[in-house]
Amino acid sequence: SQTIHQWPATLVQPVGSPLSLECTVEGTSNPNLYWYRQAAGRGLQLLFYSVGIGQISSEVPQNLSASRPQDRQFILSSKKLLLSDSGFYLCAWSVRGSGTQYFGPGTRLLVL
Amino acid sequence: AQSVAQPEDQVNVAEGNPLTVKCTYSVSGNPYLFWYVQYPNRGLQFLLKYITGDNLVKGSYGFEAEFNKSQTSFHLKKPSALVSDSALYFCAVRDDTGGGADGLTFGKGTHLIIQP
Repeated sequence: SQTIHQWPATLVQPVGSPLSLECTVEGTSNPNLYWYRQAAGRGLQLLFYSVGIGQISSEVPQNLSASRPQDRQFILSSKKLLLSDSGFYLCAWSVRGSGTQYFGPGTRLLVL
Repeated sequence: AQSVAQPEDQVNVAEGNPLTVKCTYSVSGNPYLFWYVQYPNRGLQFLLKYITGDNLVKGSYGFEAEFNKSQTSFHLKKPSALVSDSALYFCAVRDDTGGGADGLTFGKGTHLIIQP
């Protein structure tokens, strides 16, 4: 069966510090991968998606970037965090063409 | 462009009563429709989806949803609510025109509160 992991689960970082959040998927090959941000326990904002290694599409301009160095690894990064980057970050995967996305447990980021 | 509306921020239901969480959508092609549930500080869990076929879709934890093409709705239902059903529920849609990203558009979510 497929599983998706995210770490860390919780992160507190000072403004201006770098960020690296990691997501890995097991039990599937060549998945589509997604990064979402959820603010205040409500709606999801799609940040990035990837259909293959090295292929990243950004949905919104922002202080963040994403990379996919391996087929089942998706990384969210920032060089300098802003207060507004605080939120709950969710990674998801899907089988290409199926539409159904499966979510990881999330990382709660607090920027102080 | 595709969109999803969940008109209720919060729905309150007494335990044992039937529940409905509303969702309407807009897509340019035929819709693929999804419901997800989120418990506090957790990721989203897939409940059910409609692609084609029977308009009544059954999913996890006793939930079901009814696709209504004329009303462009996909309401989530359960015959008898449990306190443990209390959570945040998201409706999502994509159209059938394809595209490699399989992008879903999510509604803003509805808090479901089941009162003992």
